[in-house]
Amino acid sequence: EAQVTQNPRYLITVTGKKLTVTCSQNMNHEYMSWYRQDPGLGLRQIYYSMNVEVTDKGDVPEGYKVSRKEKRNFPLILESPSPNQTSLYFCASKLAAGMYEQFFGPGTRLTVL
Amino acid sequence: AQKVTQAQTEISVVEKEDVTLDCVYETRDTTYYLFWYKQPPSGELVFLIRRNSFDEQNEISGRYSWNFQKSTSSFNFTITASQVVDSAVYFCALSEGETSGSRLTFGEGTQLTVNP
Repeated sequence: EAQVTQNPRYLITVTGKKLTVTCSQNMNHEYMSWYRQDPGLGLRQIYYSMNVEVTDKGDVPEGYKVSRKEKRNFPLILESPSPNQTSLYFCASKLAAGMYEQFFGPGTRLTVL
Repeated sequence: AQKVTQAQTEISVVEKEDVTLDCVYETRDTTYYLFWYKQPPSGELVFLIRRNSFDEQNEISGRYSWNFQKSTSSFNFTITASQVVDSAVYFCALSEGETSGSRLTFGEGTQLTVNP
């Protein structure tokens, strides 16, 4: 089944404790991205990747890192999480940059205490 | 910069009523794409429709229809004969073709509640 998977789905952590949210897609998509969803703000893009080893900042990149060493994986790293990073995070992928439909993962609900 | 506005934060209707969700967008590009996504209470994002800027034909899919008007920069979504299962948050989104990393800019979302 074609899908985007994220792990973990739920995470409660404390300020300053490094964490990684994994994202994997099995559709051989070139383009992957991360979004965060906050009430009243919709979804905002954090980082995106046009292909392996090619990443760039989205609208709200502060406090996040990403890497794209393999085509299928695009982990989101929070080196020192803070409470304002409490949010619902979505990973997405699409065939390539351009008009293609984005496929979203199931979401990761992160709480930083 | 691109922007999407969904002015209706919440809408509540009774089952079988028709309901229209508004979406207004801003972009400087002549080539862009518009999307609608549904987010049910379970939280996943479900793709509903994609429209490119050169295709202003309205589209109907079952009880769903979309009205794209470039003159007013709007891409409104109508649900006919609403059902309880339509209760969800609906997002309108814009992508400016190849520029801006092809990022999707989302509106704030409209929470639709359909009461029995």
